[in-house]
Amino acid sequence: NAGVTQTPKFQVLKTGQSMTLQCAQDMNHEYMSWYRQDPGMGLRLIHYSVGAGITDQGEVPNGYNVSRSTTEDFPLRLLSAAPSQTSVYFCASSYSLQGGEQYFGPGTRLTVT
Amino acid sequence: TQLLEQSPQFLSIQEGENLTVYCNSSSVFSSLQWYRQEPGEGPVLLVTVVTGGEVKKLKRLTFQFGDARKDSSLHITAAQPGDTGLYLCAGRYSGAGSYQLTFGKGTKLSVIP
Repeated sequence: NAGVTQTPKFQVLKTGQSMTLQCAQDMNHEYMSWYRQDPGMGLRLIHYSVGAGITDQGEVPNGYNVSRSTTEDFPLRLLSAAPSQTSVYFCASSYSLQGGEQYFGPGTRLTVT
Repeated sequence: TQLLEQSPQFLSIQEGENLTVYCNSSSVFSSLQWYRQEPGEGPVLLVTVVTGGEVKKLKRLTFQFGDARKDSSLHITAAQPGDTGLYLCAGRYSGAGSYQLTFGKGTKLSVIP
């Protein structure tokens, strides 16, 4: 099993550009989520999904869109990149909604200039 | 937004010393997890605690969940350079949205040989 995979590993965008961060898992987990990690801020939840076709907002959803058409994939879209979105983005999946381990991907380091 | 306070934020110690990291909240956790993150990687689960007063040991690491389930601690005995990393606590709160994890800001540990 590959676990949780994310692409790309690194990305530089100009302000106003759009892009999609890819996330896939091969563990048949229903629950997937996107976090951003900034220095001194810990991990903050952007969006999450409890199953295919079901998504909801987390703590910091503004400027990001998600969709979940399959159990395996959960892409994160930046509609119009801003310097405030410079961060490291982590995708995670879990087999349980009420507990259990969250498996994290290796992260995408995004810089917006 | 639930707040989860983690302290200290930074810790630099000599090899062989002991240390304790704390995680506190004003709200009750239904469960609490500790993760360890190395540079350039996603967090990896160390332990989950669910019962008030619970103590779990993982080699030289001891995790304790407070009796009231509002706080937790991680104690490392005889720290090794391999313990260097970012330690994150993450809690699930009782009630609505309890499947969401709230992360502390992390404790960055450096163990000097």
